[in-house]
Amino acid sequence: GAVVSQHPSRVICKSGTSVKIECRSLDFQATTMFWYRQFPKKSLMLMATSNEGSKATYEQGVEKDKFLINHASLTLSTLTVTSAHPEDSSFYICSASKAANGYTFGSGTRLTVV
Amino acid sequence: DAKTTQPPSMDCAEGRAANLPCNHSTISGNEYVYWYRQIHSQGPQYIIHGLKNNETNEMASLIITEDRKSSTLILPHATLRDTAVYYCIVRGGAGNNRKLIWGLGTSLAVNP
Repeated sequence: GAVVSQHPSRVICKSGTSVKIECRSLDFQATTMFWYRQFPKKSLMLMATSNEGSKATYEQGVEKDKFLINHASLTLSTLTVTSAHPEDSSFYICSASKAANGYTFGSGTRLTVV
Repeated sequence: DAKTTQPPSMDCAEGRAANLPCNHSTISGNEYVYWYRQIHSQGPQYIIHGLKNNETNEMASLIITEDRKSSTLILPHATLRDTAVYYCIVRGGAGNNRKLIWGLGTSLAVNP
């Protein structure tokens, strides 16, 4: 149990376009999901906390208009990278928690902006 | 949440036990110790967590010192597939909306 599905696993897009990444909790309901980005050989950096039915909470320095988060249901959160540029190329990871003490992570999305 | 310190890298021979240390000297009474690992280009995978007692599951054992200022993750019989970056994280309290703060972890290389 506690499976989180993230899609797509890889995406290449042109500069100026927008990309949507989906994160689904397959066998449990997640009122809270987290979005991270990770640069090569670096650790995970929390971008925002996604709350079902309310606005996401963004970490300091993360542009909320650039990284749009929607958590419209208890099993789906989406991250949209708007007007993507090459510096947005990164590995994006979502996570959700089923139980009080455990977090399950998606398999990640490799975004390349050309 | 308390900060953790881990060695940047370690090596282990295949079939031997891998012992990964973590220091969390500022841990407070209600904070849990979590271990995750990340294989290259994949999302992190939960391994184990504990509060003050030693824990064991099918993947690993977690040994927490009596003063809780440090812990050791033990992979009893490391395989090549255990090569990954291992993260030790301290997180306070219950509830599933607490964010995790990630350090740089320990890059474990299991050698044939």
